[in-house]
Amino acid sequence: DAGITQSPRHKVTETGTPVTLRCHQTENHRYMYWYRQDPGHGLRLIHYSYGVKDTDKGEVSDGYSVSRSKTEDFLLTLESATSSQTSVYFCACALRESDTQYFGPGTRLTVL
Amino acid sequence: GEDVEQSLFLSVREGDSSVINCTYTDSSSTYLYWYKQEPGAGLQLLTYIFSNMDMKQDQRLTVLLNKKDKHLSLRIADTQTGDSAIYFCAERVGYGGATNKLIFGTGTLLAVQP
Repeated sequence: DAGITQSPRHKVTETGTPVTLRCHQTENHRYMYWYRQDPGHGLRLIHYSYGVKDTDKGEVSDGYSVSRSKTEDFLLTLESATSSQTSVYFCACALRESDTQYFGPGTRLTVL
Repeated sequence: GEDVEQSLFLSVREGDSSVINCTYTDSSSTYLYWYKQEPGAGLQLLTYIFSNMDMKQDQRLTVLLNKKDKHLSLRIADTQTGDSAIYFCAERVGYGGATNKLIFGTGTLLAVQP
């Protein structure tokens, strides 16, 4: 599972507050991804990274930003959280572009 | 566009076989995956199949791929209560500068009755 951890595992916050979720991996995987999981939608890609300081948008990137200053850490930031961002967020990693993605345990975020 | 569809729910009795179905739309898919998600947990890779294969067997799991109909299925033989979970089908498609984009289905909840 590429030693993937996510923090926090649960968070409750209020509308308008900034929130940062952290994904940490210990296997030196180059590719990292952030997904959100919502009922009826499966998992949808928010942002991904193909190396340190190299990131790009996924299909549902509005309202989110990411940063990757080190290989092992990929941060997802909600600059001003909204109720529509209440979801379960999963991080995934892959060693190479064509490799299988392995997932972290998820972060449940509730925005009141 | 890219779309992956699954039925939402499947109920089987312990010891029976389960068959979870998935249809996809992108004919350029290279790999197709099955992930399992247990309550409160992340996604665990179960198996995958390359698009030039018709079938792959791994212990109790059999994956069938009908590329002409864009249909993928996962058969679990001798289903156990521990197999109760949500099963996600996913296809790998190209996307901009990163070809390792996964499109997920909505997931099928498998309930195994003792």
